[in-house]
Amino acid sequence: AQSVTQLDSQVPVFEEAPVELRCNYSSSVSVYLFWYVQYPNQGLQLLLKYLSGSTLVKGINGFEAEFNKSQTSFHLRKPSVHISDTAEYFCAVRDQAGTALIFGKGTTLSVSS
Amino acid sequence: ETGVTQSPTHLIKTRGQQVTLRCSSQSGHNTVSWYQQALGQGPQFIFQYYREEENGRGNFPPRFSGLQFPNYSSELNVNALELDDSALYLCASSLSGPNIQYFGAGTRLSVL
Repeated sequence: AQSVTQLDSQVPVFEEAPVELRCNYSSSVSVYLFWYVQYPNQGLQLLLKYLSGSTLVKGINGFEAEFNKSQTSFHLRKPSVHISDTAEYFCAVRDQAGTALIFGKGTTLSVSS
Repeated sequence: ETGVTQSPTHLIKTRGQQVTLRCSSQSGHNTVSWYQQALGQGPQFIFQYYREEENGRGNFPPRFSGLQFPNYSSELNVNALELDDSALYLCASSLSGPNIQYFGAGTRLSVL
């Protein structure tokens, strides 16, 4: 069965600092990978997705992620964070049947001034 | 273009009762998926509906059931509620094929 591991449960950073949220997935023939953000008391918002093509994927709010097949990783990065980026971030992989998303346990990003 | 909407936003039930949660899919989407998110956890897949048929199911007991209507809206029904059913229930809609899922704001269910 496929799985997703988010390597950090909490990441505290200062405003305007760079950040990387790490995600590893179990290998598969082909993968569709996603990052979602969840603000307090809200649903999930799609940040970015990797389906195929360029391994560097750009998303909303200045976030980007790099697909690394050899390391089975899909780390999320932002060069300069804002207070408003404080939220829970989830990495997900689409299952092999093409129906479900399999989520990691989430990383809490806390940005302080 | 309207996004995914869910109702109600909050619900309180007692153990043993039954509950129905509703979801309207995003305009143009024909597939609906339901997830359960327990506190402090990532969402867990319950099932997916496509063309009014269940199209995949996660590791949830049969007391979790669903429907999809001709307008692609959907319901999640849970019978014989247990305390552990307390969670945020998320609905996501997508187009079959790439199945890129867009989520609603969720329904928070508390079982007392």
